[in-house]
Amino acid sequence: DTEVTQTPKHLVMGMTNKKSLKCEQHMGHRAMYWYKQKAKKPPELMFVYSYEKLSINESVPSRFSPECPNSSLLNLHLHALQPEDSALYLCASSQLGLATDTQYFGPGTRLTVL
Amino acid sequence: AQTVTQSQPEMSVQEAETVTLSCTYDTSESDYYLFWYKQPPSRQMILVIRQEAYKQQNATENRFSVNFQKAAKSFSLKISDSQLGDAAMYFCAYRSAIYGGATNKLIFGTGTLLAVQP
Repeated sequence: DTEVTQTPKHLVMGMTNKKSLKCEQHMGHRAMYWYKQKAKKPPELMFVYSYEKLSINESVPSRFSPECPNSSLLNLHLHALQPEDSALYLCASSQLGLATDTQYFGPGTRLTVL
Repeated sequence: AQTVTQSQPEMSVQEAETVTLSCTYDTSESDYYLFWYKQPPSRQMILVIRQEAYKQQNATENRFSVNFQKAAKSFSLKISDSQLGDAAMYFCAYRSAIYGGATNKLIFGTGTLLAVQP
């Protein structure tokens, strides 16, 4: 089973709202990722968690706040977003290690900021 | 820094025909992994195939196969017997084989949008 789930599928929020995106995997993976993807562009890495610790932050604005409560869950807390933050947000997970470190993606959350 | 280039923004193929998508990359590393991901309009990124650079044999997965030319830094994807469900954006990606930290990053190409004509 290579399933990564994400909720919600769609989210519309105002610039003053606070919302959260959720990602879950039950494959025993120890690395989890957040990506932002604009239409017809490749995904851009935002954050990486390895063994529940933040290992990469790609200079993402502080209005995006990641959280990894346990090895299966990854959240992305959103606050005071801008319209240019509207995008598809993808979560991924991987096993960590060499040969098996393949990233598997969830279906994404389509975010619209008004 | 590593880069991945997909020079074909769009391609089209007839159903049941064969199509090849191109990908080139630049790296100074000798060991790495290469991937092809497919992203249909439903938007989920799906792993199509993976190639380990230390393996000379080209990877295959059913109708999907790669032509990996390490010296030329080329990694093309061949789709045989194309089906309507193959219509999608295809991304080529690179990952270093050095374990840990920033090397967990996938470096993506810009993608090739494949249309399949009935």
